[in-house]
Amino acid sequence: GAGVSQSPSNKVTEKGKDVELRCDPISGHTALYWYRQRLGQGLEFLIYFQGNSAPDKSGLPSDRFSAERTGESVSTLTIQRTQQEDSAVYLCASARSGGSHDTQYFGPGTRLTVL
Amino acid sequence: SQQGEEDPQALSIQEGENATMNCSYKTSINNLQWYRQNSGRGLVHLILIRSNEREKHSGRLRVTLDTSKKSSSLLITASRAADTASYFCATATQGGSEKLVFGKGTKLTVNP
Repeated sequence: GAGVSQSPSNKVTEKGKDVELRCDPISGHTALYWYRQRLGQGLEFLIYFQGNSAPDKSGLPSDRFSAERTGESVSTLTIQRTQQEDSAVYLCASARSGGSHDTQYFGPGTRLTVL
Repeated sequence: SQQGEEDPQALSIQEGENATMNCSYKTSINNLQWYRQNSGRGLVHLILIRSNEREKHSGRLRVTLDTSKKSSSLLITASRAADTASYFCATATQGGSEKLVFGKGTKLTVNP
């Protein structure tokens, strides 16, 4: 079946503007994760959704970052008043159940550039 | 914060040689996973080793886990140019949430 998809693949924006990134998980996967990867670095956890439970937002770096998920489908990550340090690749992953032994399947990412 | 730390940061070898990458971590884990990333985009899951396992194989991949030393190694045998990528270890922490904590990765270059 189809994998995780993300849009847009690239986004260039001006400092101070808001951006919205979209993730379509694999159908039937209840768990969804957002990560950020700065150039040459590893992945930083941002937020985790599991079914109807309250999301784990512990990785969001500031209140300019927020994310929503509609049921067990699409998720959007919103960054308000973007800053240059927000430039990174934003990766989304989904997993069947979200348990610690579960494999996460990653999308291709959205490369965000803030000028 | 980065729990896993890969070593070396970069590795360059010739096709046919074996590549070994190491990962160290700090806290008790449920499992350790290795992922591969091509060209800075999506990651692909390679292998998962649980905390009660010591060694696991998958094709040309061999992973070891030493929980007493809080370390893991990934061995790629008979490397190919197509193995060129960045490799990340990720840990699922005991008693923590289901999120994975990733290291900074090892950039592997396999020269034809």
